[in-house]
Amino acid sequence: DVKVTQSSRYLVKRTGEKVFLECVQDMDHENMFWYRQDPGLGLRLIYFSYDVKMKEKGDIPEGYSVSREKKERFSLILESASTNQTSMYLCASGGRGGANVLTFGAGSRLTVL
Amino acid sequence: AQSVTQLDSQVPVFEEAPVELRCNYSSSVSVYLFWYVQYPNQGLQLLLKYLSGSTLVKGINGFEAEFNKSQTSFHLRKPSVHISDTAEYFCAVTSNTGTASKLTFGTGTRLQVTL
Repeated sequence: DVKVTQSSRYLVKRTGEKVFLECVQDMDHENMFWYRQDPGLGLRLIYFSYDVKMKEKGDIPEGYSVSREKKERFSLILESASTNQTSMYLCASGGRGGANVLTFGAGSRLTVL
Repeated sequence: AQSVTQLDSQVPVFEEAPVELRCNYSSSVSVYLFWYVQYPNQGLQLLLKYLSGSTLVKGINGFEAEFNKSQTSFHLRKPSVHISDTAEYFCAVTSNTGTASKLTFGTGTRLQVTL
C-alpha cells in the first residue's frame, strides 16, 4: 500500500511564526499536493508539484510556499503564520495522469494563536 | 474550469435504511469522477471512481455510484447503511486532459447513521 506520512498530526503556533509541514510518500509518485480542509468549504488546493523542484499554484496559494527538493518529500511553508491559517492540512500523492487515484496522509491540524 | 456541488451538507439516516448522497459537477471537458470517504480523525480514502465505460460503478463497503452525463451528476448510493458508515463523503472531479491528477472537491456531505 502507498503510504503518505505527514510529520505532525497536531501543531500549535503563534502568529508570525514560520511553520513547516512535511509530507513524505513511499511509492515513487510524480505528483504531490497540499490541500487545506475547512468545515463547509471542503478541500481546497494550495499548491501541487508534478516533479522535483517543480511547483504550481492551486486555488488558494496566498500566504503559503512549497518546496520539493526530493521526489518523495513535499513541504508546505507558512512564512508568517496568521490566525486565518488555522486549519487541517492534507497532503496527497498520485501517479502521472488524471485517472490516477490520490493517496492522502492523515492530516496535520494547525492552530495559530 | 471545473466545479463540484454537493447540495446536502448533512444526511441523517437510520441503520439499515438506504441512502443517496448527491453530487453534481460542471466542466467544459471530459472528466474523471471520484468519491472519497473520511472517517473521524483520518485522511481521505477512495470509495470508487468513474473513468469510462459502464456508468454504474461499484466501490468498497457496498457503495455504488452512477454517472449521468446528461444531468452532470454522480450520485452515491448504498441500499442498507451501517453505523460504521458514519463519516464525511467528498465528491471530486478532474479533467482527463491533464498530466496531473489535480482534483476539485465538493464541500462534503456528513453522513450520520443512527440506530
